[in-house]
Amino acid sequence: ILNVEQSPQSLHVQEGDSTNFTCSFPSSNFYALHWYRWETAKSPEALFVMTLNGDEKKKGRISATLNTKEGYSYLYIKGSQPEDSATYLCALSGSARQLTFGSGTQLTVLP
Amino acid sequence: DAGVIQSPRHEVTEMGQEVTLRCKPISGHDYLFWYRQTMMRGLELLIYFNNNVPIDDSGMPEDRFSAKMPNASFSTLKIQPSEPRDSAVYFCASSFDRIGADEQYFGPGTRLTVT
Repeated sequence: ILNVEQSPQSLHVQEGDSTNFTCSFPSSNFYALHWYRWETAKSPEALFVMTLNGDEKKKGRISATLNTKEGYSYLYIKGSQPEDSATYLCALSGSARQLTFGSGTQLTVLP
Repeated sequence: DAGVIQSPRHEVTEMGQEVTLRCKPISGHDYLFWYRQTMMRGLELLIYFNNNVPIDDSGMPEDRFSAKMPNASFSTLKIQPSEPRDSAVYFCASSFDRIGADEQYFGPGTRLTVT
């Protein structure tokens, strides 16, 4: 069973601030770590998939890192904008293909 | 491609009625997943298929729930009889067959309300 913890549960930042949040997992026994972005009234959208310790991925102002030895992944948003407001989900895929999701970090960027 | 298509987008039904949710995955995707999202439990996997074959249905809450995938382009999730506690948003997702690292593409979801 894969256990995925995310923190904080929610976060409010001012427009222009940079922010980060954490996904932690006790075991390195998984194939990949996924980050999804989930806007209200929409469906989850994949941001990154990482598989190796030390992986870093970047898409515009958003980036993510993976540390499998210590069991965490960080998601960073540089210069937050109101359109970044969403719930950010972390998920692990194990030996099978299904994803185990964390409870998410709800980000609100205030203009 | 139009992405993953789900229907209906909203369903309101009375307790005891049968409900059928439908999903069309992205063409060429080998995996299809059904998820349920609730306030209490977040996003949880119900069942998934590989090449139309159910692989893991351990997340299906009880016998009232059943899912089928008669062909590569269509899947259904049926609840019979429905109960108020089944009220949730049900998502379908699909992905390519790459070892564990493939991202899943989610449909828009079906919001089910059972009164």
